[in-house]
Amino acid sequence: DAGVTQSPTHLIKTRGQHVTLRCSPISGHKSVSWYQQVLGQGPQFIFQYYEKEERGRGNFPDRFSARQFPNYSSELNVNALLLGDSALYLCASSRSAVLDTQYFGPGTRLTVL
Amino acid sequence: DAKTTQPNSMESNEEEPVHLPCNHSTISGTDYIHWYRQLPSQGPEYVIHGLTSNVNNRMASLAIAEDRKSSTLILHRATLRDAAVYYCALNSGGSNYKLTFGKGTLLTVNP
Repeated sequence: DAGVTQSPTHLIKTRGQHVTLRCSPISGHKSVSWYQQVLGQGPQFIFQYYEKEERGRGNFPDRFSARQFPNYSSELNVNALLLGDSALYLCASSRSAVLDTQYFGPGTRLTVL
Repeated sequence: DAKTTQPNSMESNEEEPVHLPCNHSTISGTDYIHWYRQLPSQGPEYVIHGLTSNVNNRMASLAIAEDRKSSTLILHRATLRDAAVYYCALNSGGSNYKLTFGKGTLLTVNP
């Protein structure tokens, strides 16, 4: 079975621009979560979506938004990019909203110049 | 959110057991303890998780202290492929699935 896929793999943007990152969960998984991983740190929770509804939000500004589509894929949008948004953005999927094992994708490396 | 604390790095020899510690002194009664590992340029890979009792799977064992304020991931025979950053993370369950990761331990395995 295919794992979690993310696109693009790498992205370079300039300050003030916006970016859209995409994630396709494992087939049969209805929950998608997004994490930000800054170099040298552990991943930090941004959002969780289950059945197209937001189930959880981390401590991130409103410049970060996300949505989940009927096929359970998801997009993470970041507006007005700052240098500090440079990070690896990880998507994780699981079957249910709680307690099932989360499977992570390879991530999208975002560089903001 | 409860936090986890791990040593920055550890070193082991191939085919020897490895014990990776994690402190989570502010853990709540409903927090699950998860372990993930991450290779360079890859996303985290699930290793094991538990709530109160020790757990075993094909990859590793998880030993949880009786007061749940610490846990230890045990790799029974380290291989070169086990070299990675190991993260201890807590999931509070409830209505959502939010993993709170620590900074991780970089495990080096010597041949």
